[in-house]
Amino acid sequence: KAGVTQTPRYLIKTRGQQVTLSCSPISGHRSVSWYQQTPGQGLQFLFEYFSETQRNKGNFPGRFSGRQFSNSRSEMNVSTLELGDSALYLCASQQTLGGGYTFGSGTRLTVV
Amino acid sequence: QKEVEQNSGPLSVPEGAIASLNCTYSDRGSQSFFWYRQYSGKSPELIMSIYSNGDKEDGRFTAQLNKASQYVSLLIRDSQPSDSATYLCAVNRGDSNYQLIWGAGTKLIIKP
Repeated sequence: KAGVTQTPRYLIKTRGQQVTLSCSPISGHRSVSWYQQTPGQGLQFLFEYFSETQRNKGNFPGRFSGRQFSNSRSEMNVSTLELGDSALYLCASQQTLGGGYTFGSGTRLTVV
Repeated sequence: QKEVEQNSGPLSVPEGAIASLNCTYSDRGSQSFFWYRQYSGKSPELIMSIYSNGDKEDGRFTAQLNKASQYVSLLIRDSQPSDSATYLCAVNRGDSNYQLIWGAGTKLIIKP
């Protein structure tokens, strides 16, 4: 059974650019959550999608957005990149309500 | 007060000893509790989930939950150097089965 797949694994972008990250959840998992992880801040919740609907959103500026497609694949977009957006972006899928998350390998974004 | 609190460590434990990791949470409505292990540069990996008071054992790992005192702990018996990692505690929001609140993690070092 394939795990959660995130692409790309690594990205280097310049300030002001935008970036799109992709996440394919485990087959059958309909809930996808996105997190930002930095050494100083730990895991910070970005948003969560279920059946193409955003159910919850963390405390991030509007430059961070996401969506989910009918096949449960999800994308997140960050516009007007800032140096502080450099982080590991993690996607996680959940099979059952109240169950644990399975994380993808993450996308390491570096903004220069 | 943070919603999920963990001692950041590092917690240093001799090889073969029992490592004890603790986590307290503030939301009395929480029903699902998880322990994740994260190796440096890798994504978190679910190692234990617990939903009811008492102990749950899986191999060398035992999760303990006390809802009255609002704490959850993880014991690692016969600690191995490969157990050296950051351990994250996650608790579901009482009003939301699909959103987890994360502790900042405890860094565990197993000394050979």
